[in-house]
Amino acid sequence: DIQMTQSPSSLSASVGDRVTITCQASHDISYYLNWYQQKPGKAPKLLIYDASNLQTGVPSRFSGSGSGTDFTFTISSLQPEDIATYYCQHYDDLHLFTFGPGTKVDIK
Amino acid sequence: QVQLVQSGAEVKKPGASVKVSCKASGYPFTGYYIHWVRQAPGQGLEWMGWIDPNTGGTNFAQKFRGKVTMTSDTSINTAYMELRRLRSDDTAVYFCGRSCSAGGCYGWLDPWGQGTLVTVSS
Repeated sequence: DIQMTQSPSSLSASVGDRVTITCQASHDISYYLNWYQQKPGKAPKLLIYDASNLQTGVPSRFSGSGSGTDFTFTISSLQPEDIATYYCQHYDDLHLFTFGPGTKVDIK
Repeated sequence: QVQLVQSGAEVKKPGASVKVSCKASGYPFTGYYIHWVRQAPGQGLEWMGWIDPNTGGTNFAQKFRGKVTMTSDTSINTAYMELRRLRSDDTAVYFCGRSCSAGGCYGWLDPWGQGTLVTVSS
């Protein structure tokens, strides 16, 4: 089974800061990696699919990169409305999904 | 617009079963998979499995095989997730989400339902 790890587990940053979250897979997963944002009490929202593609309607300050085992999610300029937990998610050829443990982002 | 609307909160006793529904609108129901994901209080997201409403085919995470049943009723564009032999650690918010059945949006969930809280308590 593929294991997904994320780091850090939480972070605090100031408005306007650049924020970076990493996601690592236990095996090569090519580009089959997505990123979601979940605000408290809400359902997750898709931000990035296939490692680097911005979902329609998502602000351009969000971006993703990587392939193989190492992936990065970036918020170029943190906004107050970006306070949330961010999850990476892998999918395989059998359409089985695995989520990372999440990274909680707070305002300093 | 594309929307998934789930049934309301449930309280169940240990050993009982619960069935949560997810009603789809705004798209051809049989053209997409419905997945179920749960989130225990204060915890992360845990993928449970999917159903293909077109064929009735399903696939589950190993942990949930024998514990969960997923069905759908194409006449009312609704998917169901039934969890059996409930334990206190099944207390969680259960979400449904849509993915494509092939190509396109195959590997991700968008949109999601609003979530259904299932509480297991004696």
